[in-house]
Amino acid sequence: DTEVTQTPKHLVMGMTNKKSLKCEQHMGHRAMYWYKQKAKKPPELMFVYSYEKLSINESVPSRFSPECPNSSLLNLHLHALQPEDSALYLCASSQDSGPGYNEQFFGPGTRLTVL
Amino acid sequence: AQSVTQLDSQVPVFEEAPVELRCNYSSSVSVYLFWYVQYPNQGLQLLLKYLSGSTLVKGINGFEAEFNKSQTSFHLRKPSVHISDTAEYFCAVSNTNAGKSTFGDGTTLTVKP
Repeated sequence: DTEVTQTPKHLVMGMTNKKSLKCEQHMGHRAMYWYKQKAKKPPELMFVYSYEKLSINESVPSRFSPECPNSSLLNLHLHALQPEDSALYLCASSQDSGPGYNEQFFGPGTRLTVL
Repeated sequence: AQSVTQLDSQVPVFEEAPVELRCNYSSSVSVYLFWYVQYPNQGLQLLLKYLSGSTLVKGINGFEAEFNKSQTSFHLRKPSVHISDTAEYFCAVSNTNAGKSTFGDGTTLTVKP
C-alpha cells in the first residue's frame, strides 16, 4: 500500500468553527508532513512529525494545531480560522525525515474554504 | 540555504510536440533534485528524482531530466506530449544535510490539440 489518504476531501467552515483534517498512511513511514498550498503556488511546509514527535513548526499560527496520535495517523485541528486560510492542505509521509534522501508521498489533499 | 527557480511560469505546447521545463537551483552543499506533477485538485506525484550517479534520469510517463552541476540546472523534457500531460509541474531540491525540500513556483504545462 503506497497510498496516503486524507479526509475530508472538501471542508467549508466558519471563522468560529472547530474542525479537524485527517491523514493516514500504512507504509510504515516514520515522518509525516502538513503543507498548505494556495492556488497556482507551490506547497508551503507547515509541520513535520518524526517518530510521532513534532520536529519542525514553520512558525504556523496557533489556530492550526497538529497532532500525531500514532505512526500512521496525522491530524490538523483548526480553530478560529481566517478567510485567508482557505487553501488546499496536503499531507505527505516519508520513510524518515533526517538528512539524506527521503521521498515524500503526498495525499490528494483537503480543499478548505473559510467563510 | 537552498533555492529553486523555475524559469517559465506557463508553457503552452501542441500535442505531440517536444517540451522542456526549465529548473535552476542554488545550494551550498550537495543536493537531491526532484520533479513533481500535480493534476487539478490532486496531490503531488513524483515524476523523477536525481540522487547521484548518471546525470540523465528517466521517470514515469515518458519524462526525463538531466542534472547539470556546472549550470546548476535540472531541466525536464519529454519528446512528445499528450493532452493528458496538462498539469502543474514543480521542481524541488533537498540538500544532503537536511530533509526539508524547497519547491519552485511551478510551471503550468498546457497541451493543446
